[in-house]
Amino acid sequence: NAGVTQTPKFQVLKTGQSMTLQCAQDMNHNSMYWYRQDPGMGLRLIYYSASEGTTDKGEVPNGYNVSRLNKREFSLRLESAAPSQTSVYFCAVAGGVGSYEQYFGPGTRLTVT
Amino acid sequence: GENVEQHPSTLSVQEGDSAVIKCTYSDSASNYFPWYKQELGKGPQLIIDIRSNVGEKKDQRIAVTLNKTAKHFSLHITETQPEDSAVYFCAATYSGYALNFGKGTSLLVTP
Repeated sequence: NAGVTQTPKFQVLKTGQSMTLQCAQDMNHNSMYWYRQDPGMGLRLIYYSASEGTTDKGEVPNGYNVSRLNKREFSLRLESAAPSQTSVYFCAVAGGVGSYEQYFGPGTRLTVT
Repeated sequence: GENVEQHPSTLSVQEGDSAVIKCTYSDSASNYFPWYKQELGKGPQLIIDIRSNVGEKKDQRIAVTLNKTAKHFSLHITETQPEDSAVYFCAATYSGYALNFGKGTSLLVTP
């Protein structure tokens, strides 16, 4: 039982390159979230998916797209990476209606040069 | 999302002492307040939470108190140990089930 897994763990991109961060869960939870964490900024919500087939913007969605592939998987895509997107990205899951508890994955550390 | 202010940003205590971290929120509709512990290189781990219909919750050495009128909530850690050293984040719900996080408190417990 791995809980929430994220791939890759580390990635270095050049400005303008694209990539997809993957998140998968085996907790059978309905809601999934993508956050970014920058020094001194806490965690900021990029996008979330309350249930399979739905996605919504969070606080900082610009420059990102998401896909809720199925109940288990939620991916985050950077179409044209910028240095401002250098950050640690976390995926989280929650049970859904009536269940607020969010459980986080181990993170992906992304550097854009 | 609505602001969540967290203080202090750094806290140093001696082993065995108590540590208190405070947060304030602005959205009166917030009804769930979790606390997370994050160790270096790891994802945040949920350590305790409280809902708006409860004033206090305790789990062994950690407790959380909530004052809905004043819109603030606090994390209390008693009998601190070196392994409590980490960054702690508070959060509050907004727009349904999304969370707005504070900027974190770096706690150092010295032997």
